[in-house]
Amino acid sequence: QVQLVQSGAEVKKPGASVKVSCKASGYTLSAYYMHWVRQAPGQGLEWMGWINPHSGDTYYALSFEGRVTMTRDTSINTAYLDLNRLRNDDTAVYYCARGDSGDYLRPVDWGQGTLVTVSS
Amino acid sequence: DIQMTQSPSSLSASVGDRVTITCRASQGIRNELGWYQQKPGKAPKRLIYAASSLQSGVPSRFSGSGYGKEFTLTISSLQPEDCATYYCLQHHGYPLTFGQGTRLEIK
Repeated sequence: QVQLVQSGAEVKKPGASVKVSCKASGYTLSAYYMHWVRQAPGQGLEWMGWINPHSGDTYYALSFEGRVTMTRDTSINTAYLDLNRLRNDDTAVYYCARGDSGDYLRPVDWGQGTLVTVSS
Repeated sequence: DIQMTQSPSSLSASVGDRVTITCRASQGIRNELGWYQQKPGKAPKRLIYAASSLQSGVPSRFSGSGYGKEFTLTISSLQPEDCATYYCLQHHGYPLTFGQGTRLEIK
């Protein structure tokens, strides 16, 4: 079955960068788009963008443009989220979510989440 | 951006009750909407896609309806394990946007 396993929690200082990984199993990463969504403590869900792992094409929400990079390594079935120039309000759980086969814009299977804490 | 307004923001209901949650879009989004359930400390789980299609493995007490601007998620007979926060997500336009969530508690 499809499983997305994300890397462990991170603590970063303001201004630093973080890289979160999302390893897919049960399917070939390049076959489906991957979305990234975040959730600040006690808050709702915020969509960040997607990557087409087959081509490497990406689409980022405007609010993250210039600070976010989504990449992938198809040889190890893993997608990555890089966020730089971290601020305190980037503290959140970051999720990867696979787009479904019928419409790549519909997230269906989710990773367990990675808590990123930004604090001086 | 397309704004998704969910109501109510929270509700309390009894086991066996029929529960309805509404999502309104700031512009028409056809049927490009999904519903997600999130339990504390867990990742969201998709319940409904394309506004009214039930995700495989999801109990049939969950149903979705709507087209254009107004959508509903209905739980026909509330169960204790349905205690969670529910979100709608539109994927008609960029950026994809979620409703603010509806926290459902069991009386």
